[in-house]
Amino acid sequence: DGGITQSPKYLFRKEGQNVTLSCEQNLNHDAMYWYRQDPGQGLRLIYYSQIVNDFQKGDIAEGYSVSREKKESFPLTVTSAQKNPTAFYLCASSRTGDNQPQHFGDGTRLSIL
Amino acid sequence: AQSVTQLDSQVPVFEEAPVELRCNYSSSVSVYLFWYVQYPNQGLQLLLKYLSGSTLVESINGFEAEFNKSQTSFHLRKPSVHISDTAEYFCAVISNTGKLIFGQGTTLQVKP
Repeated sequence: DGGITQSPKYLFRKEGQNVTLSCEQNLNHDAMYWYRQDPGQGLRLIYYSQIVNDFQKGDIAEGYSVSREKKESFPLTVTSAQKNPTAFYLCASSRTGDNQPQHFGDGTRLSIL
Repeated sequence: AQSVTQLDSQVPVFEEAPVELRCNYSSSVSVYLFWYVQYPNQGLQLLLKYLSGSTLVESINGFEAEFNKSQTSFHLRKPSVHISDTAEYFCAVISNTGKLIFGQGTTLQVKP
């Protein structure tokens, strides 16, 4: 079955440590996205990529970095510069085009030790 | 700039009662609207979408939403809810830069 796989499901980070969240899709979608979800705030866009080797900052990119070396993969690194990293992180993908719905993974919950 | 407002943060309702989750949007360009559902500790699942054509769209599990251009609304309705419908529901619109803009979410709590 096609879909989006995020790993790990739960992740713990020590202060000052970088961590990388994995996102893989086998839907053959060109576009991929990372969102952060906090209680009562809905979803906020961190980074997105419309094509391999290209990505753009979203609304809350500070303290995060991404890469898009392969069409199927869009890993997100939460750096030590992100002062409040505890959140639920969601990866999504879609076909390109204005009216294409996004398909989501099951998320990674990041907590600070 | 586009925005989405979900007017209720929580909607408690008894099982088998009807429910309406309200969503208003602002957009100056072509409107593509979506409702997503999120069960606890899971990602978002597409519930239904309005792209063009008939203003009433339906999902396979009994939900429906009506696009109302004059009122800039896309409310989600179900005539009879089940316990299993308990979840968070997000309304979203595609912005003129192609990004998906989400509302704050509405938690539907179905009580027995």
